[in-house]
Amino acid sequence: QSVLTQPPSVSGAPGQRVTISCTGSSSNIGADYNVHWYQQLPGTALKLLIYANNNRPSGVPDRFSGFKSVTSASLVITGLQAEDEADYYCQSYDSRLSAWVFGGGTKLTVL
Amino acid sequence: QVQLQESGPGLVEPSQSLSLICTVSGDSINTGSYYWSWVRRPAGKGLEWIGRVYTSGSSSHNPALKNRVTMSIDTSKNQFSLKLSSVTATDTAVYYCARQENYPGGGWFDPWGQGTLVTVSS
Repeated sequence: QSVLTQPPSVSGAPGQRVTISCTGSSSNIGADYNVHWYQQLPGTALKLLIYANNNRPSGVPDRFSGFKSVTSASLVITGLQAEDEADYYCQSYDSRLSAWVFGGGTKLTVL
Repeated sequence: QVQLQESGPGLVEPSQSLSLICTVSGDSINTGSYYWSWVRRPAGKGLEWIGRVYTSGSSSHNPALKNRVTMSIDTSKNQFSLKLSSVTATDTAVYYCARQENYPGGGWFDPWGQGTLVTVSS
């Protein structure tokens, strides 16, 4: 059981918008620790997608956006493309566990 | 650009130690205020942070792994390493090395190695 909770899977048609949630608690996201998002395409290394809640590294399309609320965060992908089919992970820090923590991952399927 | 590559045995016997090395290329491991980390993903489970080491050699690890973790860094070889002792089948996982940004409020991991599968079995 991962500390950060993500839906196991989401899906959407090309061109649509999808949202991947990441639910935490008062000892991680709720304690104002940053949330970061990663994408893992099949057979490739994990890639940083969003850092510090809502920032995109150079080269990441602006179709990807990150949002953070009180004890949760979300990754929004607009204008869905076939190449977006991948696993997505959120990450933060947990002060109760004294550890960096991840979500269980969400598999995005482009219909 | 910076690239990381894990290496080490793919099979370890129960109760033995698992040892992995991460080789950094494209930049000096001694550059900047980064931490050098290990993360793993057991089959069918999520990612788990194992620990990290700084260029000074100081390290920290996930308390959930008790005191089984030893990490070190060799700046002359541009490498850092992980040793996990007393392994059991539950330590079977894909092991990743990654660079972690030192950032207020918690830094991100970037870039990552491709990962290496380590199986604990006799």
